[in-house]
Amino acid sequence: GAGVSQSPSNKVTEKGKDVELRCDPISGHTALYWYRQSLGQGLEFLIYFQGNSAPDKSGLPSDRFSAERTGGSVSTLTIQRTQQEDSAVYLCASSLSRDRGNGYGYTFGSGTRLTVV
Amino acid sequence: GIQVEQSPPDLILQEGANSTLRCNFSDSVNNLQWFHQNPWGQLINLFYIPSGTKQNGRLSATTVATERYSLLYISSSQTTDSGVYFCAVDPYSGAGSYQLTFGKGTKLSVIP
Repeated sequence: GAGVSQSPSNKVTEKGKDVELRCDPISGHTALYWYRQSLGQGLEFLIYFQGNSAPDKSGLPSDRFSAERTGGSVSTLTIQRTQQEDSAVYLCASSLSRDRGNGYGYTFGSGTRLTVV
Repeated sequence: GIQVEQSPPDLILQEGANSTLRCNFSDSVNNLQWFHQNPWGQLINLFYIPSGTKQNGRLSATTVATERYSLLYISSSQTTDSGVYFCAVDPYSGAGSYQLTFGKGTKLSVIP
């Protein structure tokens, strides 16, 4: 597609429920990233996928968070047993493949605003 | 981890004025990007600029990697320039990590 597409745009869920957030990157972009933005913490890295390599999960805040990327394209971020502190805007970005010294800018989606009540 | 400091935190400009936003970072970087987050929350990539100078219309950016800072210049500001400007860096770790660390941003308000 022309841009990075995220769905849903808004999600309200009850504490303890599981949620799935979807990201459809720009066609041809092999790198995909998840970040979250909250008032108290700013923008935080969550996870990074590059082609078929093992993802960098070092930013996931707890084992309730997981993500997968199928077929090198669409990615799903899953949060199990949601807590109120999970409330934030979850942002997905994609970029062309890169290596050291040859980087590319990110294109962000519009985000999913998650509210846990 | 790497520290990213942006200044000023808030800036109010009259339409037509020029401004300079600054980003200081605490370690070597191999990736530096400037983003604009508009009032609707959309993050727009302005520049990928780990070193050197780039210009795009009324915006330009300069990164002096050896001195660990980057500047974003906005000339002839317009109300549509309002929003938050973020600087984000990827520290050189040699470990294949590609995490951007974001500064806290500069909130710009352009008034007519």
